[in-house]
Amino acid sequence: DTGVSQDPRHKITKRGQNVTFRCDPISEHNRLYWYRQTLGQGPEFLTYFQNEAQLEKSRLLSDRFSAERPKGSFSTLEIQRTEQGDSAMYLCASRPPQGTSPLHFGNGTRLTVT
Amino acid sequence: GESVGLHLPTLSVQEGDNSIINCAYSNSASDYFIWYKQESGKGPQFIIDIRSNMDKRQGQRVTVLLNKTVKHLSLQIAATQPGDSAVYFCAENYGGSQGNLIFGKGTKLSVKP
Repeated sequence: DTGVSQDPRHKITKRGQNVTFRCDPISEHNRLYWYRQTLGQGPEFLTYFQNEAQLEKSRLLSDRFSAERPKGSFSTLEIQRTEQGDSAMYLCASRPPQGTSPLHFGNGTRLTVT
Repeated sequence: GESVGLHLPTLSVQEGDNSIINCAYSNSASDYFIWYKQESGKGPQFIIDIRSNMDKRQGQRVTVLLNKTVKHLSLQIAATQPGDSAVYFCAENYGGSQGNLIFGKGTKLSVKP
């Protein structure tokens, strides 16, 4: 089953360090999304790519966050100068090219900032 | 701002009983709704969806009802099983095919054997 793959599954870092997460979407899906989920809450939208173009960014995505999808396939999410408030599950999802359809989620990267 | 919310944060049911999980949404422009199931340590898993031009849709052991008049969505699970224990989220699609999903806070379903 070639679902959405995220790496790493877990990341522990010290405050002030930079971290980068990777997402590999389902191969035929050209739309890719990043969400953040804190304990007891639903996922919150961060950003959206169609192919390599970043079409939408949430106000949650501060200047310390940057996402890329250089070749329209995998995507990376980088957090610079991490803060304890960045501790969360970072979820990636993808969607087929046309129409309105469900997002297919990966199992996320759990970030803990100490 | 507009958001998707849930009436009950937790629901405990006996194995074999039917479960009903409710959700209120506030964005009248949303055109598509999805229920997801999330188990501990995993990403949300698609259960069933419904478009705004429908009021009911059935899947295997699950039914979604949409009441646009009162902006209410529900998920019914028939003959609930221990494997159904998880957190359930409703999500609304805002912005058409280029939009993204807005999630509620979730309801934790516990199934007692």
